[in-house]
Amino acid sequence: DQQVKQNSPSLSVQEGRISILNCDYTNSMFDYFLWYKKYPAEGPTFLISISSIKDKNEDGRFTVFLNKSAKHLSLHIVPSQPGDSAVYFCAASGTGANNLFFGTGTRLTVIP
Amino acid sequence: DTEVTQTPKHLVMGMTNKKSLKCEQHMGHRAMYWYKQKAKKPPELMFVYSYEKLSINESVPSRFSPECPNSSLLNLHLHALQPEDSALYLCASSRSSGLNSPLHFGNGTRLTVT
Repeated sequence: DQQVKQNSPSLSVQEGRISILNCDYTNSMFDYFLWYKKYPAEGPTFLISISSIKDKNEDGRFTVFLNKSAKHLSLHIVPSQPGDSAVYFCAASGTGANNLFFGTGTRLTVIP
Repeated sequence: DTEVTQTPKHLVMGMTNKKSLKCEQHMGHRAMYWYKQKAKKPPELMFVYSYEKLSINESVPSRFSPECPNSSLLNLHLHALQPEDSALYLCASSRSSGLNSPLHFGNGTRLTVT
């Protein structure tokens, strides 16, 4: 059973606007969350992470929000750029755990 | 450029062949991982090495045999694979396992079993 879910397989956004990618999880033991970006023929590239003691983490154009009560996190990209077009994976793990559980990914297309 | 290097990029092998996938990192990371990714699916963990010792084997069939010769290298030996083993094999490393440190992935080896 999928413990990390990304319910939107794709998202299209105009250049300069905000992209919002969503992720839900079911395991309440998860306390570390990450977003990865993946281009074709490349491995996933780490973007940003957040631990469960925070509800927001920001790095440049990327901000991750965590709502523990709703078991939901989101990635905001603003302003969106054409180079942001890629598949974005949400991932989660628990304290002391070695395994990352990945969502199925959302393909973001930023239209120039 | 990724800091985790995987070779080869592509591999085609028959079901009776023996081949090896290689992974190298020079970031001083002490945990290394093998993941398998099928088309349109998320990556799935196969093995974790922590301080050069195998710490997790996610019930992977014995036709996949990992090896960690030193802290910078990770191999995956393949023998008698099945066509359903065709996938993208991703290597990753992190500063340590069990702590909140992100995994850094290589670009993967695209394996086709004929």
